[in-house]
Amino acid sequence: AAGVIQSPRHLIKEKRETATLKCYPIPRHDTVYWYQQGPGQDPQFLISFYEKMQSDKGSIPDRFSAQQFSDYHSELNMSSLELGDSALYFCASSSSPKPNTEAFFGQGTRLTVV
Amino acid sequence: AQKVTQAQTEISVVEKEDVTLDCVYETRDTTYYLFWYKQPPSGELVFLIRRNSFDEQNEISGRYSWNFQKSTSSFNFTITASQVVDSAVYFCALSEAQVDKIIFGKGTRLHILP
Repeated sequence: AAGVIQSPRHLIKEKRETATLKCYPIPRHDTVYWYQQGPGQDPQFLISFYEKMQSDKGSIPDRFSAQQFSDYHSELNMSSLELGDSALYFCASSSSPKPNTEAFFGQGTRLTVV
Repeated sequence: AQKVTQAQTEISVVEKEDVTLDCVYETRDTTYYLFWYKQPPSGELVFLIRRNSFDEQNEISGRYSWNFQKSTSSFNFTITASQVVDSAVYFCALSEAQVDKIIFGKGTRLHILP
């Protein structure tokens, strides 16, 4: 069965650079969530989209922005990268705007800022 | 406010022993959803179970079982006859019905020793 696809799987950037992470939800899923998991931490909710509109927002820095496109894939744009942005970034998708269905997570993108 | 507490930071057991991971949650909502996820060393988040607040039936899936008790706000997870492949970080998580995000506990790192 198709799962949530994230790309790239690994990314190394220098401080102050920009990074773009991509998420392709499970087919027919219209809701996408982004989470950030720092080393040894639990995943923290960043932002979510339902039908291409932002539906909820967590502790996402102003340097980060995200959007969901007409094909439901989503991109997380991160600018002026800082060392503290090094983390595992997960995307999840579901077939409703609330994660009361199973929220399926992608394998994550490991971002390292040097 | 929603909160998930996993008091056990790290547990080590010998293979074939049973082990229970504790999870206590806080929410003011009457409708909410509880999850368990497994995060193996490879990093992905593997969905294990979802429970809604109206379903207090315990569930068993192979060697895994879950005990949901609203009276104590707990959703504990037991692995029977543990195996080395069960070694991972396990996250308990909560989502209230009216919000998008899933709130994770800090996780319990489980070591199964051969």
